[in-house]
Amino acid sequence: TQLLEQSPQFLSIQEGENLTVYCNSSSVFSSLQWYRQEPGEGPVLLVTVVTGGEVKKLKRLTFQFGDARKDSSLHITAAQPGDTGLYLCAGEGVDDYKLSFGAGTTVTVRA
Amino acid sequence: NAGVTQTPKFQVLKTGQSMTLQCAQDMNHNSMYWYRQDPGMGLRLIYYSASEGTTDKGEVPNGYNVSRLNKREFSLRLESAAPSQTSVYFCASTPRWNTEAFFGQGTRLTVV
Repeated sequence: TQLLEQSPQFLSIQEGENLTVYCNSSSVFSSLQWYRQEPGEGPVLLVTVVTGGEVKKLKRLTFQFGDARKDSSLHITAAQPGDTGLYLCAGEGVDDYKLSFGAGTTVTVRA
Repeated sequence: NAGVTQTPKFQVLKTGQSMTLQCAQDMNHNSMYWYRQDPGMGLRLIYYSASEGTTDKGEVPNGYNVSRLNKREFSLRLESAAPSQTSVYFCASTPRWNTEAFFGQGTRLTVV
């Protein structure tokens, strides 16, 4: 059973469209991280959100941490082919400080 | 800086063979981790080392052993490989206990 549920599992959109990826859990996390992984590579950290309700922007990417620190979303505006990849969320446990990963959302942006 | 370096990048083993996956980081990080990644299952923690001299089991430790050789190096050993251990293995490190993880490029292991 995945501690963190990501949806959708796959997403294919046209260049210029917007998309949102969700990361949900019944557990509370100290922080939540988003990573992007390209084929044949390891995951690369995009952002860490720590405070409930926090919103962080990274160019066309907007990350939000839920008020209760159980869920998060990643929104991409005007997606580009370079945004293609596997997006993973990871939550840091409150008591054990371990990182738990979701199964990921595979995003494909078509030119 | 090289970051996190894993060797080998690819490996094919026969059932029952043993091997060691090597990982080294040059960022002076305290904590190191081994994950496996399987389709549809995300990254699952095999073993971790919160600091030099300590190791602990993660979510899926059966069939594996680890050694934290020094602050830089953390190896993963498969004593008797099984087809169920076919996976992509990632080593990661963090600057203190579980903040932002830096990953290696992965080792693609096939057990036949």
